[in-house]
Amino acid sequence: DTAVSQTPKYLVTQMGNDKSIKCEQNLGHDTMYWYKQDSKKFLKIMFSYNNKELIINETVPNRFSPKSPDKAHLNLHINSLELGDSAVYFCASSQGAGSGSPLHFGNGTRLTVT
Amino acid sequence: DQQVKQNSPSLSVQEGRISILNCDYTNSMFDYFLWYKKYPAEGPTFLISISSIKDKNEDGRFTVFLNKSAKHLSLHIVPSQPGDSAVYFCAASPSGSARQLTFGSGTQLTVLP
Repeated sequence: DTAVSQTPKYLVTQMGNDKSIKCEQNLGHDTMYWYKQDSKKFLKIMFSYNNKELIINETVPNRFSPKSPDKAHLNLHINSLELGDSAVYFCASSQGAGSGSPLHFGNGTRLTVT
Repeated sequence: DQQVKQNSPSLSVQEGRISILNCDYTNSMFDYFLWYKKYPAEGPTFLISISSIKDKNEDGRFTVFLNKSAKHLSLHIVPSQPGDSAVYFCAASPSGSARQLTFGSGTQLTVLP
C-alpha cells in the first residue's frame, strides 16, 4: 500500500549512459515532483508537474527530463550521465501545490555514476 | 546561497527531555514553513507546518515556533522518545507554494534511552 514508490532503489552505472528512474503514486494527487539530495544533504527541487504545467528548476541540466505517461506516474530520464549526477533522487507528490499540500515522498533512488 | 539554514547537523537528547531543533532563513518572501522527518532509507515525511500569520502551531508532542523578525523557527518535541531519532528537515516557501519549497540540510536527532 506504498503511497509513492520509485524504482530502482539503487542504480549504479557508468558515465555516458542513459538511465531512467520510475515513480508512481497511488494517492490520487495531481502534482508530482523530483528532488535531488546532494552531497551536502540539501533537498533541491528539480521539476514539478501536473497535467497542465511543467516547471523546471533553471539550474537542472537539460540532460534531465521528466516524462509523465499519466497522472499517477512521473519518470525521470537522464542522458549522458556524469559523475556529478551521483546523488539520491526523491520523487514526491501533492494534491495541488498550495500551502495546504504537504509533499509525500518516495523512499529515494541512490544513483552512483562511476 | 543557502536560504534555509540548519546550523546544527546533529543533536542528542535524553529520552523524556525536550528536543529543540532550530532553523534560520534569509528570504523575507518565505511565508510558509514546514518540518519533515526522515528515517534512514526512507523519504521525508511531513510533520508539522506553520504560516507566517501565526507564531506557534502545536500538534501533540510537536510544536513549531516562528519568530518572523528574527527569521527563525524552531521545532520542540516534548517529551522526546527514542522513535523520534531521525533527520529533521526545515523547509520554507513563498506564498505557500509547494512548488517552491526550499529545504535546509537537516539535523540528525538522536534520543538516548
